[in-house]
Amino acid sequence: GAGVSQSPSNKVTEKGKDVELRCDPISGHTALYWYRQSLGQGLEFLIYFQGNSAPDKSGLPSDRFSAERTGGSVSTLTIQRTQQEDSAVYLCASSSYAGGYTFGSGTRLTVV
Amino acid sequence: GQQLNQSPQSMFIQEGEDVSMNCTSSSIFNTWLWYKQDPGEGPVLLIALYKAGELTSNGRLTAQFGITRKDSFLNISASIPSDVGIYFCAGRANAGGTSYGKLTFGQGTILTVHP
Repeated sequence: GAGVSQSPSNKVTEKGKDVELRCDPISGHTALYWYRQSLGQGLEFLIYFQGNSAPDKSGLPSDRFSAERTGGSVSTLTIQRTQQEDSAVYLCASSSYAGGYTFGSGTRLTVV
Repeated sequence: GQQLNQSPQSMFIQEGEDVSMNCTSSSIFNTWLWYKQDPGEGPVLLIALYKAGELTSNGRLTAQFGITRKDSFLNISASIPSDVGIYFCAGRANAGGTSYGKLTFGQGTILTVHP
């Protein structure tokens, strides 16, 4: 597609439930990234995919967080047993070798 | 881990004034980037810097990559109301001109421009 698409744009979930966030990168971008942005904060790196593999997942905050990417395209970030501190905007970006990052508009997750 | 300190945290200025913000790092970065984020949107790239000492302009925006590779600044000249938003610096450690690899972000500067 023309840009990075994320869905849903907003998600409200109950504490303890699992959530899945989806990212559709720009067609042809081999690299895909997930970041988290808490209120009034900068972006916190979560995980980086190159193709379907994740050479850097050092930012995942706990084993409740996981991500996968299939077909070198769509990625899903899964948060299990959500906690209130998971509330944040989850941003996805994709890049080509030298083309720079393009960010999606994010998924605003609220855990109640 | 790597951290970026961005200042100031917020700025309130009059339309037409110039603005300056900067970032410092505890470690070396080989690429410095400046982004702007509008409410409800993801960050959008303003300027990318790839070489120590590099000074790059994009319209009213000018950014520099510090000689030590541990700092960068962004200047906005003759501010206008649509400059309002959050500005972030970001650094990438890997060299070679590639966009691959994670970015470390500063905490952001909230810019308010009064007409």
